[in-house]
Amino acid sequence: AQRVTQPEKLLSVFKGAPVELKCNYSYSGSPELFWYVQYSRQRLQLLLRHISRESIKGFTADLNKGETSFHLKKPFAQEEDSAMYYCALGNNDMRFGAGTRLTVKP
Amino acid sequence: DTAVSQTPKYLVTQMGNDKSIKCEQNLGHDTMYWYKQDSKKFLKIMFSYNNKELIINETVPNRFSPKSPDKAHLNLHINSLELGDSAVYFCASSLGAFGGDTEAFFGQGTRLTVV
Repeated sequence: AQRVTQPEKLLSVFKGAPVELKCNYSYSGSPELFWYVQYSRQRLQLLLRHISRESIKGFTADLNKGETSFHLKKPFAQEEDSAMYYCALGNNDMRFGAGTRLTVKP
Repeated sequence: DTAVSQTPKYLVTQMGNDKSIKCEQNLGHDTMYWYKQDSKKFLKIMFSYNNKELIINETVPNRFSPKSPDKAHLNLHINSLELGDSAVYFCASSLGAFGGDTEAFFGQGTRLTVV
């Protein structure tokens, strides 16, 4: 079964602190994983995908097949990072986790 | 030059009415989706069309009927609206349905409120 789990619904950190948003997946094949972000009053948009191994807005995510995880990390959180973050598995279609609301406090 | 556009952005209607939400993409993508985002911000796939053919139909009431006149459009028609249908509905498109470049592009969402 194809499933994405984001165990934290809410995550709050102070500005400048490291942040990690957790994502675990269940997929029998080689997964295609993404992180999407939705800022307040804006459309859902792609943040990054594992296949390109990119760093966007200081965020990175590493695929760990042993732990079936794709956690999103940023070493120094900024207030403008406050948003809703969704992990997604995109092999047969785009399946999303429940989302984590990140709040970065000043 | 919006990639995925939905209309209307807001829709307030009474229970029992029938309404449609339109979606158009100008990206040349083959696959289009409808997602429902509930009050807890959970995104759940409802339908997926590939080249005008229905490929995913999740457990959605029959009152919801997608219509794809061509591969650039996927409209969502809802009959006999109920209070529980109140949510934000997102349309999305992607180049392929299976593997490859499956990045999805989303519309701005349609906030449906049933009163």
